[in-house]
Amino acid sequence: RKEVEQDPGPFNVPEGATVAFNCTYSNSASQSFFWYRQDCRKEPKLLMSVYSSGNEDGRFTAQLNRASQYISLLIRDSKLSDSATYLCVVNPRGSSNTGKLIFGQGTTLQVKP
Amino acid sequence: NAGVTQTPKFQVLKTGQSMTLQCAQDMNHEYMSWYRQDPGMGLRLIHYSVGAGITDQGEVPNGYNVSRSTTEDFPLRLLSAAPSQTSVYFCASSYYRNTEAFFGQGTRLTVV
Repeated sequence: RKEVEQDPGPFNVPEGATVAFNCTYSNSASQSFFWYRQDCRKEPKLLMSVYSSGNEDGRFTAQLNRASQYISLLIRDSKLSDSATYLCVVNPRGSSNTGKLIFGQGTTLQVKP
Repeated sequence: NAGVTQTPKFQVLKTGQSMTLQCAQDMNHEYMSWYRQDPGMGLRLIHYSVGAGITDQGEVPNGYNVSRSTTEDFPLRLLSAAPSQTSVYFCASSYYRNTEAFFGQGTRLTVV
C-alpha cells in the first residue's frame, strides 16, 4: 500500500462548479499535511497547509480527518486557472526533524468553460 | 528573488555516462532534498540533507550520490546513467521542519 494515495482523476468540471479531492495516508502518526499545486511541466508550489481544525483560504478549504486518515481539498466556484494537478503531501512520523515529505501521485483537475 | 535554482533544465545522456545536477538556494534553508517525478508515480525522494555535512537516503537512492559541503548547494550525481533514470528531477529546500518546501524548476533528463 502506498503511504499517500490519491485518485489520479482527471476531474473534468465546468466553471463555477464545486469539486472535492480526497487523499488517504497510511501512517497514523503522520504529523503535517499539505496540498501542493503543480501546473503542467512546472514545479510544485504550496497551495495550503492542512490543520487539524480545518482551514480556508478564499475558495479553497482543507480538512483533516485523523480518525479515518484522510485529508480533503474543496474548491468552490472553480476557475479555468484552477486547472492543474493537486498533490497531497504528508510529513510522516519520525521525519519531523528532516523536512522529509511524502507525495501522493496527484489528482488532475480540468475546468472547462 | 532567485529561490531554488537548478541546472541544467534539460539534459540527454548516453547509458553509462555520469553527470551532476546542480541545485542552489539563497534562502539560508537548512533542509534540502532531491525528488524524481515519473508518470503515475508522484514525486519520490532520492536523497535529503538536514544541514551542511549531513545527508541521508530517501526512497530511491540507488544510482545517485549527494554531498552538502555548504548550506547553499546540494548537487546530485548520477554515477552511471541508465535508461531507468529518465525522469524529471526536482530539488527542494525548506527553512525548518514542517514548513513550506520551495522547489526548483526541475531538470528533464533523458538517458538513451
